[in-house]
Amino acid sequence: EVQLVESGGGLVQPGGSLRLSCAASGFTFRSYWMHWVRQAPGKGLEWVARMNGDGSNTKYADSVKGRLTISRDNPKNTLYLQMNSLRAEDTAVYYCARDLRFCRGTGCDTIDAFDIWGQGTMVTVS
Amino acid sequence: QSALTQPPSVSGSPGQSVTISCTGTSSDVGGYNRVSWYQQPPGTAPKLLIYDVTYRPSGVPDRFSGSKSGNTASLTISGLQAEDEADYYCSSYTSAATRVFGGGTKLTVL
Repeated sequence: EVQLVESGGGLVQPGGSLRLSCAASGFTFRSYWMHWVRQAPGKGLEWVARMNGDGSNTKYADSVKGRLTISRDNPKNTLYLQMNSLRAEDTAVYYCARDLRFCRGTGCDTIDAFDIWGQGTMVTVS
Repeated sequence: QSALTQPPSVSGSPGQSVTISCTGTSSDVGGYNRVSWYQQPPGTAPKLLIYDVTYRPSGVPDRFSGSKSGNTASLTISGLQAEDEADYYCSSYTSAATRVFGGGTKLTVL
């Protein structure tokens, strides 16, 4: 079964740090672009960051640039989000999500859509 | 990057059709056919409904359809069912090679 399982959330004081993990299973993790998406309590979804399959290409939302860092360990099938200098506005459920990917005879294409999501992990900054 | 604009709420009766709009700019929705839609029932993770404006992943009923005109994408749900009641979000690729979500729309089935 294709699955993403986040962990590492919790209560942290403003200015503190936290590292989230996302364990992937059931698919070839190194082949997929991966993302972090967050959702503040009672609010909408906010894209946070993304990383390509080999970890050489990353992008961040302006709201987290310089404070949150996405990384991955492909042999361990795990995605990470290192969160530093946390603020109250970072309080949210954090989801990891996988980009859709189609493979045909001639090769594979990554589609800009999140086809698999984890269950989320709650981060409270207070 | 500003969030895409969605109506906060829509409603419809069982069997009816509803359409949810998603308005962006030429730097996101209007510039690329890379709009996706997600359904999120309360307390659950989002589920992919539509990708690349009009395509449905396997397992998504054909009651769900997507379209785009200019800077506005739309999700239409036909033959409304009680289980369609959820929050719906659009998302788009952007010219900065990032993603952006809409603010979300709460669908109420009357």
